[in-house]
Amino acid sequence: AQKITQTQPGMFVQEKEAVTLDCTYDTSDPSYGLFWYKQPSSGEMIFLIYQGSYDQQNATEGRYSLNFQKARKSANLVISASQLGDSAMYFCAPRDDSTLGRLYFGRGTQLTVWP
Amino acid sequence: DAMVIQNPRYQVTQFGKPVTLSCSQTLNHNVMYWYQQKSSQAPKLLFHYYDKDFNNEADTPDNFQSRRPNTSFCFLDIRSPGLGDAAMYLCATSRTRTGTDTQYFGPGTRLTVL
Repeated sequence: AQKITQTQPGMFVQEKEAVTLDCTYDTSDPSYGLFWYKQPSSGEMIFLIYQGSYDQQNATEGRYSLNFQKARKSANLVISASQLGDSAMYFCAPRDDSTLGRLYFGRGTQLTVWP
Repeated sequence: DAMVIQNPRYQVTQFGKPVTLSCSQTLNHNVMYWYQQKSSQAPKLLFHYYDKDFNNEADTPDNFQSRRPNTSFCFLDIRSPGLGDAAMYLCATSRTRTGTDTQYFGPGTRLTVL
């Protein structure tokens, strides 16, 4: 199984500010994807953003972007202009071919956005 | 439009009474997954289907079974639920099993065992 480290169990950010959620992972497969999911209190797992291991540019998707450092096996999620609705649990999950495409989830970071 | 649908959203069952959870998808994806997520934990993969090929995780209890009668539907059967099986059950799909394909999740079924 892969090892995924999300070192921040909880993060707090004021509305309209930016916040960075950390993720490091360990995979030996050169071809892999790195996924971030958001899970609000309702329980649904919502796909946010994807980074391919061979992508030259950092992924961006609206207010979400990744700070991808391949050599360090790090893919930090940056949320710009935080909104109250961003309050949720955030999971980092790598996926590679050697594990039949299984997603391995980190322990997650609980983000709270305050007004 | 919902792409991965799970029914019911909330399920209450009694200790030892069999229960079936349902998942359907409109994405025509080849792979369907079932995850179990207990309170304050990360999701844990139970098994997945690649087309009709069933793949069980080594540590999934025998109490959990699955069926995939066609591409669109997949069922999770819990033969004799125990108190420890109370959890959120998440269904997900992806087009292939390659590492770069996205898994899309349904809204989940929250199971309570009395």
